[in-house]
Amino acid sequence: DAGITQSPRHKVTETGTPVTLRCHQTENHRYMYWYRQDPGHGLRLIHYSYGVKDTDKGEVSDGYSVSRSKTEDFLLTLESATSSQTSVYFCAISEPVMFTEAFFGQGTRLTVV
Amino acid sequence: AQSVTQLDSQVPVFEEAPVELRCNYSSSVSVYLFWYVQYPNQGLQLLLKYLSGSTLVKGINGFEAEFNKSQTSFHLRKPSVHISDTAEYFCAVSPIPAGTALIFGKGTTLSVSS
Repeated sequence: DAGITQSPRHKVTETGTPVTLRCHQTENHRYMYWYRQDPGHGLRLIHYSYGVKDTDKGEVSDGYSVSRSKTEDFLLTLESATSSQTSVYFCAISEPVMFTEAFFGQGTRLTVV
Repeated sequence: AQSVTQLDSQVPVFEEAPVELRCNYSSSVSVYLFWYVQYPNQGLQLLLKYLSGSTLVKGINGFEAEFNKSQTSFHLRKPSVHISDTAEYFCAVSPIPAGTALIFGKGTTLSVSS
Protein backbone atom coordinates (compact mmCIF):
# COMPACT_ATOMS: atom_id res chain seq x y z
CA ASP A 1 0.00 0.00 0.00
CA ALA A 2 1.11 3.51 -0.77
CA GLY A 3 2.22 5.37 2.34
CA ILE A 4 -0.82 7.57 2.91
CA THR A 5 -2.19 8.23 6.37
CA GLN A 6 -5.37 10.14 7.04
CA SER A 7 -6.19 11.48 10.46
CA PRO A 8 -8.48 11.31 12.23
CA ARG A 9 -10.22 8.25 10.82
CA HIS A 10 -13.52 9.12 12.47
CA LYS A 11 -14.80 12.41 13.83
CA VAL A 12 -18.08 13.73 15.14
CA THR A 13 -18.36 17.48 15.41
CA GLU A 14 -21.03 20.08 15.99
CA THR A 15 -22.45 22.45 13.42
CA GLY A 16 -20.50 25.69 13.26
CA THR A 17 -17.22 24.34 14.60
CA PRO A 18 -13.99 24.34 12.61
CA VAL A 19 -12.57 20.99 11.58
CA THR A 20 -9.21 20.07 10.05
CA LEU A 21 -8.46 16.77 8.38
CA ARG A 22 -4.89 15.76 7.71
CA CYS A 23 -3.36 13.71 4.93
CA HIS A 24 0.25 12.61 5.32
CA GLN A 25 2.24 10.80 2.62
CA THR A 26 5.66 9.19 2.66
CA GLU A 27 5.92 8.70 -1.11
CA ASN A 28 7.15 12.18 -2.10
CA HIS A 29 4.40 12.45 -4.71
CA ARG A 30 3.87 15.91 -6.14
CA TYR A 31 0.10 15.86 -6.44
CA MET A 32 -2.34 15.49 -3.54
CA TYR A 33 -6.13 15.53 -3.67
CA TRP A 34 -9.11 15.70 -1.37
CA TYR A 35 -12.32 13.97 -2.43
CA ARG A 36 -15.61 13.48 -0.66
CA GLN A 37 -17.71 10.37 -1.14
CA ASP A 38 -21.47 10.44 -0.76
CA PRO A 39 -24.06 7.80 -1.69
CA GLY A 40 -25.27 8.26 -5.24
CA HIS A 41 -22.56 10.80 -6.05
CA GLY A 42 -19.40 8.73 -6.24
CA LEU A 43 -16.24 10.67 -5.45
CA ARG A 44 -16.15 14.40 -6.04
CA LEU A 45 -13.02 16.50 -6.02
CA ILE A 46 -12.84 19.22 -3.36
CA HIS A 47 -9.35 20.68 -3.79
CA TYR A 48 -6.03 19.50 -5.05
CA SER A 49 -2.39 20.51 -4.81
CA TYR A 50 0.33 20.26 -7.43
CA GLY A 51 3.18 21.35 -5.19
CA VAL A 52 4.03 23.09 -1.95
CA LYS A 53 1.78 26.13 -1.59
CA ASP A 54 0.21 25.39 -5.01
CA THR A 55 -3.46 24.48 -4.76
CA ASP A 56 -6.57 24.69 -6.88
CA LYS A 57 -10.30 24.23 -6.48
CA GLY A 58 -12.27 21.21 -7.49
CA GLU A 59 -15.90 20.57 -8.25
CA VAL A 60 -17.24 21.02 -4.69
CA SER A 61 -14.87 23.49 -3.02
CA ASP A 62 -17.39 25.81 -1.33
CA GLY A 63 -17.02 25.71 2.44
CA TYR A 64 -13.57 24.11 2.33
CA SER A 65 -10.03 25.42 2.34
CA VAL A 66 -6.71 23.62 2.04
CA SER A 67 -3.07 24.19 2.81
CA ARG A 68 0.15 22.48 1.84
CA SER A 69 3.24 23.82 3.56
CA LYS A 70 5.26 20.62 3.12
CA THR A 71 5.35 18.03 0.36
CA GLU A 72 4.13 15.33 2.69
CA ASP A 73 1.14 17.06 4.30
CA PHE A 74 -2.13 18.29 2.82
CA LEU A 75 -4.70 19.74 5.20
CA LEU A 76 -8.41 20.14 4.55
CA THR A 77 -10.26 22.65 6.73
CA LEU A 78 -13.96 23.14 7.18
CA GLU A 79 -14.10 26.65 8.59
CA SER A 80 -17.62 26.25 9.98
CA ALA A 81 -18.94 22.74 9.60
CA THR A 82 -22.47 22.17 8.32
CA SER A 83 -24.59 19.02 8.24
CA SER A 84 -24.22 18.89 4.45
CA GLN A 85 -20.51 18.27 4.98
CA THR A 86 -21.20 14.96 6.70
CA SER A 87 -19.36 12.59 4.39
CA VAL A 88 -16.42 10.27 3.95
CA TYR A 89 -13.31 12.17 2.90
CA PHE A 90 -10.53 10.56 0.92
CA CYS A 91 -7.06 11.81 0.30
CA ALA A 92 -5.22 10.69 -2.83
CA ILE A 93 -1.72 11.18 -4.18
CA SER A 94 -0.16 10.89 -7.60
CA GLU A 95 3.15 11.42 -9.33
CA PRO A 96 2.60 11.67 -13.09
CA VAL A 97 6.30 11.30 -13.87
CA MET A 98 6.23 7.73 -12.56
CA PHE A 99 2.62 6.64 -12.37
CA THR A 100 -0.58 7.33 -14.23
CA GLU A 101 -2.90 6.33 -11.41
CA ALA A 102 -3.70 7.88 -8.07
CA PHE A 103 -3.30 6.12 -4.73
CA PHE A 104 -5.89 6.53 -2.02
CA GLY A 105 -5.88 6.73 1.76
CA GLN A 106 -8.29 4.82 3.97
CA GLY A 107 -10.71 7.69 4.41
CA THR A 108 -12.04 9.85 7.23
CA ARG A 109 -15.66 9.53 8.23
CA LEU A 110 -16.92 12.95 9.38
CA THR A 111 -20.29 13.43 10.99
CA VAL A 112 -21.59 16.95 11.63
CA VAL A 113 -24.44 17.03 14.16
CA ALA B 1 -14.22 18.80 -19.50
CA GLN B 2 -14.70 15.13 -18.79
CA SER B 3 -17.61 13.12 -17.43
CA VAL B 4 -18.18 9.49 -16.58
CA THR B 5 -21.47 7.59 -16.57
CA GLN B 6 -21.81 4.24 -14.89
CA LEU B 7 -24.95 2.82 -16.34
CA ASP B 8 -25.94 0.56 -13.45
CA SER B 9 -26.00 1.67 -9.83
CA GLN B 10 -26.50 -1.87 -8.52
CA VAL B 11 -25.75 -5.25 -10.07
CA PRO B 12 -26.86 -8.38 -8.19
CA VAL B 13 -25.46 -11.70 -9.44
CA PHE B 14 -25.08 -15.25 -8.23
CA GLU B 15 -21.72 -16.75 -7.46
CA GLU B 16 -19.88 -18.19 -10.49
CA ALA B 17 -22.01 -16.19 -12.93
CA PRO B 18 -20.40 -13.75 -15.38
CA VAL B 19 -20.76 -10.04 -14.84
CA GLU B 20 -20.33 -6.85 -16.82
CA LEU B 21 -20.24 -3.38 -15.27
CA ARG B 22 -20.79 -0.67 -17.83
CA CYS B 23 -18.98 2.64 -18.10
CA ASN B 24 -19.27 5.38 -20.71
CA TYR B 25 -17.25 8.55 -20.75
CA SER B 26 -17.22 11.91 -22.45
CA SER B 27 -14.13 14.00 -23.10
CA SER B 28 -12.89 16.59 -25.57
CA VAL B 29 -9.30 15.37 -25.11
CA SER B 30 -7.63 11.98 -24.93
CA VAL B 31 -7.92 10.29 -21.57
CA TYR B 32 -6.56 7.48 -19.50
CA LEU B 33 -9.23 5.12 -18.15
CA PHE B 34 -9.36 3.34 -14.81
CA TRP B 35 -11.46 1.00 -12.75
CA TYR B 36 -11.13 1.15 -8.97
CA VAL B 37 -12.68 -1.17 -6.39
CA GLN B 38 -13.75 -0.26 -2.88
CA TYR B 39 -14.40 -2.99 -0.33
CA PRO B 40 -16.59 -2.08 2.66
CA ASN B 41 -15.01 0.51 4.96
CA GLN B 42 -11.83 0.67 2.92
CA GLY B 43 -10.15 3.04 0.52
CA LEU B 44 -10.03 2.66 -3.25
CA GLN B 45 -7.76 0.13 -4.90
CA LEU B 46 -6.77 0.17 -8.56
CA LEU B 47 -8.29 -2.76 -10.45
CA LEU B 48 -6.93 -2.00 -13.92
CA LYS B 49 -6.11 0.83 -16.28
CA TYR B 50 -6.03 1.61 -20.00
CA LEU B 51 -3.29 3.90 -21.22
CA SER B 52 -2.76 2.92 -24.86
CA GLY B 53 -2.20 -0.09 -27.09
CA SER B 54 -4.31 -3.22 -26.81
CA THR B 55 -7.90 -2.35 -26.09
CA LEU B 56 -8.37 -5.36 -23.80
CA VAL B 57 -6.69 -4.87 -20.46
CA LYS B 58 -6.42 -7.36 -17.66
CA GLY B 59 -6.41 -6.45 -14.00
CA ILE B 60 -6.25 -8.02 -10.61
CA ASN B 61 -8.63 -10.69 -9.30
CA GLY B 62 -9.53 -11.98 -12.79
CA PHE B 63 -11.17 -8.76 -14.01
CA GLU B 64 -10.69 -7.36 -17.49
CA ALA B 65 -11.99 -4.35 -19.38
CA GLU B 66 -12.30 -3.39 -23.00
CA PHE B 67 -11.77 0.10 -24.33
CA ASN B 68 -14.03 1.04 -27.22
CA LYS B 69 -13.07 4.41 -28.64
CA SER B 70 -15.96 4.71 -31.09
CA GLN B 71 -18.51 4.05 -28.35
CA THR B 72 -16.48 5.89 -25.68
CA SER B 73 -16.94 2.94 -23.36
CA PHE B 74 -14.77 1.03 -20.92
CA HIS B 75 -16.82 -1.88 -19.62
CA LEU B 76 -15.53 -4.14 -16.86
CA ARG B 77 -16.07 -7.89 -17.03
CA LYS B 78 -15.39 -11.04 -15.09
CA PRO B 79 -16.32 -14.50 -16.39
CA SER B 80 -17.07 -16.02 -12.99
CA VAL B 81 -17.57 -13.97 -9.83
CA HIS B 82 -16.97 -14.92 -6.22
CA ILE B 83 -18.64 -13.82 -3.02
CA SER B 84 -15.47 -11.88 -2.25
CA ASP B 85 -16.02 -9.68 -5.32
CA THR B 86 -18.89 -7.96 -3.52
CA ALA B 87 -17.81 -4.32 -3.46
CA GLU B 88 -18.37 -0.95 -5.06
CA TYR B 89 -16.69 -0.36 -8.40
CA PHE B 90 -15.78 3.04 -9.79
CA CYS B 91 -14.89 3.96 -13.35
CA ALA B 92 -12.67 7.03 -13.69
CA VAL B 93 -10.92 9.07 -16.36
CA SER B 94 -7.90 11.31 -16.33
CA PRO B 95 -6.98 13.67 -19.16
CA ILE B 96 -3.65 13.15 -20.88
CA PRO B 97 -1.08 14.14 -19.80
CA ALA B 98 -1.76 12.76 -16.33
CA GLY B 99 -1.49 15.08 -13.41
CA THR B 100 -4.90 16.58 -13.06
CA ALA B 101 -7.51 14.93 -10.95
CA LEU B 102 -9.41 11.77 -11.70
CA ILE B 103 -13.06 12.24 -12.64
CA PHE B 104 -15.20 9.46 -11.21
CA GLY B 105 -18.49 7.90 -12.10
CA LYS B 106 -21.09 7.47 -9.37
CA GLY B 107 -20.18 3.85 -8.76
CA THR B 108 -21.73 0.43 -9.23
CA THR B 109 -22.44 -1.82 -6.28
CA LEU B 110 -21.78 -5.44 -7.18
CA SER B 111 -23.55 -7.87 -4.85
CA VAL B 112 -22.63 -11.52 -5.24
CA SER B 113 -24.80 -14.10 -3.49
CA SER B 114 -24.64 -17.88 -3.22
